[in-house]
Amino acid sequence: KQEVTQIPAALSVPEGENLVLNCSFTDSAIYNLQWFRQDPGKGLTSLLLIQSSQREQTSGRLNASLDKSSGRSTLYIAASQPGDSATYLCAVNYGGSQGNLIFGKGTKLSVKP
Amino acid sequence: KAGVTQTPRYLIKTRGQQVTLSCSPISGHRSVSWYQQTPGQGLQFLFEYFSETQRNKGNFPGRFSGRQFSNSRSEMNVSTLELGDSALYLCASSLAGGNQPQHFGDGTRLSIL
Repeated sequence: KQEVTQIPAALSVPEGENLVLNCSFTDSAIYNLQWFRQDPGKGLTSLLLIQSSQREQTSGRLNASLDKSSGRSTLYIAASQPGDSATYLCAVNYGGSQGNLIFGKGTKLSVKP
Repeated sequence: KAGVTQTPRYLIKTRGQQVTLSCSPISGHRSVSWYQQTPGQGLQFLFEYFSETQRNKGNFPGRFSGRQFSNSRSEMNVSTLELGDSALYLCASSLAGGNQPQHFGDGTRLSIL
């Protein structure tokens, strides 16, 4: 069964700290992997998409890496800010049809001023 | 450019009723997917439509159905509502072709009494 796991479920850090969120997947034959953030009562905002042939993607203070052989992806957030507080979700696409994503349960991040 | 629009934002129904949710994708996006989000199960894939055809279906009972119109707008229908159908229903759209990120709406919050 294809599963996506995110650890920890919740994380609290002081403002300014660099942090890493983890995502692991059971089947390494992925097509791509996407990181999202979700604010309370809202939908998902796409942060980064990593294709299976790529090792990392960067956008501003965010950097996502992908290691298919170990079934892992990480999202690195530099110099965290209170506005980064949200739930971060990892989703794996196993093939072709981009609409069928398998999601982890997310990591709820709280950045304290 | 307008994002993904879902209507209504909130719905309250009783057991046994049926409900129709609507999704207008980003202009130019022909792929529309639906997801159910609950605290216990997280985000689960319902189905995906592309050019008015269902391309993928998740593991949900036949009470859950959908369709897509020629303008790419999509609807999903749930018949004979059960208490367990209470959830946030999210719609996502994307461009055609591989490795396109999913863009989500803010969802419809469905509560079953």
